[in-house]
Amino acid sequence: EAQVTQNPRYLITVTGKKLTVTCSQNMNHEYMSWYRQDPGLGLRQIYYSMNVEVTDKGDVPEGYKVSRKEKRNFPLILESPSPNQTSLYFCASSSVSGGTSYNEQFFGPGTRLTVL
Amino acid sequence: AQSVAQPEDQVNVAEGNPLTVKCTYSVSGNPYLFWYVQYPNRGLQFLLKYITGDNLVKGSYGFEAEFNKSQTSFHLKKPSALVSDSALYFCAVSAYSSASKIIFGSGTRLSIRP
Repeated sequence: EAQVTQNPRYLITVTGKKLTVTCSQNMNHEYMSWYRQDPGLGLRQIYYSMNVEVTDKGDVPEGYKVSRKEKRNFPLILESPSPNQTSLYFCASSSVSGGTSYNEQFFGPGTRLTVL
Repeated sequence: AQSVAQPEDQVNVAEGNPLTVKCTYSVSGNPYLFWYVQYPNRGLQFLLKYITGDNLVKGSYGFEAEFNKSQTSFHLKKPSALVSDSALYFCAVSAYSSASKIIFGSGTRLSIRP
């Protein structure tokens, strides 16, 4: 089954304790992206990647890091989480056509993060 | 800078009636436009997209959307609403020149009453 998986699904942590949220897709997609969803703000793009070793900032990259060492994986790293990073996080992937990522995105189930 | 506006936080429609969820956008150059739906405790699911060509785009579950360049709008429509259409709907836009960077609207909660 084609899917995007995220782990963990739920996480409660404390300020300053480094954490990683994993994202994996089995569709051989070139493009992957991370979003955070907050009430009234919709989804905001954190980072995206057009392919292995190619990453770029979205609209809200501060406090986050990503890496793309393999095509299927795109982990999101919070080196020193703060309470304002409490949110619902989604990973997504899509294929690329002609070097452009305008195809539909497939979303993971989400990770609900609480930073105390 | 790109932006998307969904002016209605909530839309309430009776089952069987037509529904419209509004979206307006701002981009430099030509846009790519998308609609996604989110059911409770789920990730987003793709409904439809406009890339180029026919201004009326048909998508999943009987939904369609009309691209209006002069009004910079991409409203989502369905002729006859179902209770199962109740969900959170997001409009999204990216630009030809920077298609990797995608902006989502704040979402519109659609509630269909029996």
